[in-house]
Amino acid sequence: GAVVSQHPSRVICKSGTSVKIECRSLDFQATTMFWYRQFPKQSLMLMATSNEGSKATYEQGVEKDKFLINHASLTLSTLTVTSAHPEDSSFYICSAVRDWITDTQYFGPGTRLTVL
Amino acid sequence: DAKTTQPTSMDCAEGRAANLPCNHSTISGNEYVYWYRQIHSQGPQYIIHGLKNNETNEMASLIITEDRKSSTLILPHATLRDTAVYYCIVRASNFGNEKLTFGTGTRLTIIP
Repeated sequence: GAVVSQHPSRVICKSGTSVKIECRSLDFQATTMFWYRQFPKQSLMLMATSNEGSKATYEQGVEKDKFLINHASLTLSTLTVTSAHPEDSSFYICSAVRDWITDTQYFGPGTRLTVL
Repeated sequence: DAKTTQPTSMDCAEGRAANLPCNHSTISGNEYVYWYRQIHSQGPQYIIHGLKNNETNEMASLIITEDRKSSTLILPHATLRDTAVYYCIVRASNFGNEKLTFGTGTRLTIIP
């Protein structure tokens, strides 16, 4: 299947700092990528849809100034958590659509963010 | 997108077929049924999807009822590595722009 990577896999930071998470599609180009967040023992919640070359579309309740998304190329989207706080600690997962015909999303392995 | 209903949890003996049901009685004609699974602390893994016909791939089979109001994911010979949360998701295809809405899924435990 299609391969999507994320970096870093795990990050610990101090409260008030910013953290950047990268999502890459390794063997295909993705015009659309999605960012999800998952709190312990909960399901995945979509945060935003990232489109190459345009502004991201955020879900209701997700602060666009706090979660900055940049989709600068067809293989890379980044999520920056600005001024992170302990409540931002979560599992962040991206996905990418391999082709629009099958419209199947392939997910990255996730990034575990812990804010102290 | 149509809502889905899945059992909260299921057990299956190793080596046996695991049959995971999903109800989607409000599904629309242009909506597909997708199955993903999530092994603990990993990103979801795509398994299979279908519209009307039954589908089979190297991982599983998807059986969709004729009225499309329910479906069953079949793992033919379950192994311990199949222990995961399985999500049944119904959504329309929209040329790569359609988001996935995850429910609570079925926690499948394969028992040795």
